[in-house]
Formats: sequence, structure tokens, C-alpha cells
Amino acid sequence: GAVVSQHPSRVICKSGTSVKIECRSLDFQATTMFWYRQFPKKSLMLMATSNEGSKATYEQGVEKDKFLINHASLTLSTLTVTSAHPEDSSFYICSATSGILRPEAFFGQGTRLTVV
Amino acid sequence: QKEVEQNSGPLSVPEGAIASLNCTYSDRGSQSFFWYRQYSGKSPELIMFIYSNGDKEDGRFTAQLNKASQYVSLLIRDSQPSDSATYLCAVTRGSNYKLTFGKGTLLTVNP
Repeated sequence: GAVVSQHPSRVICKSGTSVKIECRSLDFQATTMFWYRQFPKKSLMLMATSNEGSKATYEQGVEKDKFLINHASLTLSTLTVTSAHPEDSSFYICSATSGILRPEAFFGQGTRLTVV
Repeated sequence: QKEVEQNSGPLSVPEGAIASLNCTYSDRGSQSFFWYRQYSGKSPELIMFIYSNGDKEDGRFTAQLNKASQYVSLLIRDSQPSDSATYLCAVTRGSNYKLTFGKGTLLTVNP
């Protein structure tokens, strides 16, 4: 399968600081990337959909100003958690698809964020 | 009505047996169907996808799709303890390629 690399895999930050998570498609051009969060023993929750060169589409209830998403190129999307708080601690996962050429989505390794 | 439904399990099978995982979906416009495997603490890993009615085989895995019944299944032959994980069924509709996931079925393969 295709390779999607997510970095960092783990991060601990202080409350009030911002954290940036990168998601890269290594061997294909990702026209669409998705960002999810997952709490322990819970389902994946889609946060937003990002298409290269355009603004992200956020799911209902997800704060746009808190979770900043940028998809500046066909191989890179970033999620920035701004002014992080302990309740933002979660497992964040990206996925990428090349759309009609290859509609199946491949997931990054995930980032475990802990806000202290 | 939930869009994608799966039995949460746990489904327990002995090593070497066939594990059968089932999924139903409510949107008749769903076009693509995916099975992902997720180990505890890890991200989902694509196992198979299917677009057309019928069976699709890949190694020990067979996906089955019946659009009339809005039903998709995954069979795992010769189950191994390493197959123990949560299996996620997902569907897409339209050109936004957004996956709608079921809640997953926890499979345990006992040695």
C-alpha cells in the first residue's frame, strides 16, 4: 500500500502552547487529506477534510480557530492545535487519498498528544 | 439510524478457524467499501476495498459485497493470533472520498 508519514508520533506540551502535526504522502500525490482524533476505546472522529490549495472543511462542532489545517502541497498537510488544553489530549491521525486515481485512503501512524 | 453498523463484539475464534465480520450501511448511494484493521494504540491499516457486488479475495481475506442487501462482510481464513484487532468497516459516497466508519468489531483469535 501507499505510505503516509505522520510526525511527531508522540508529543507532550504545556497547556497554552501550540503544537504542529505534519502529515506527508511519500509515494503519491494526495489531493485530499483527512484529520481524525480518537479517544481511548472510542471510534475515529473526523475533524476536517482538506483539499490541496483550498480551505479545510470542518465537521460540525470542531473549532476552526483551535485546529488550524493547512494543505499547501499535494504531499503535505499540517494540523496545528492552538492554545492546547488537557482536554485536547488525544490520538490524532491523518489519512490521504489521491482521489479518483486511487480512492482508498491510507493512514499515517498517528500522533499521541498529551497536554500537561 | 446509524450510517454504518457493525457488531462491536468481541468476536472470539480459535486459531485456524474462519472469522466472519459483518457490516451494514444505510445509504444506498454508497459506492466504495473498505475494511481496515486497527491494533490497539495504532492507526488503521487498509486490508481490502471492494466496489462491485460479489467476492474479492486477497490472500487469507475475502470481502463480500451485496448492494441490494446493503451488506458487506470480511472473511479471514486460517485466523492467526496476530489477526486479533479491531476491524473497521467504512464506506464512501460521491467524489469527496470521505470515509464513514462503523464503530468496529473487536476480534480475538485464541491460540
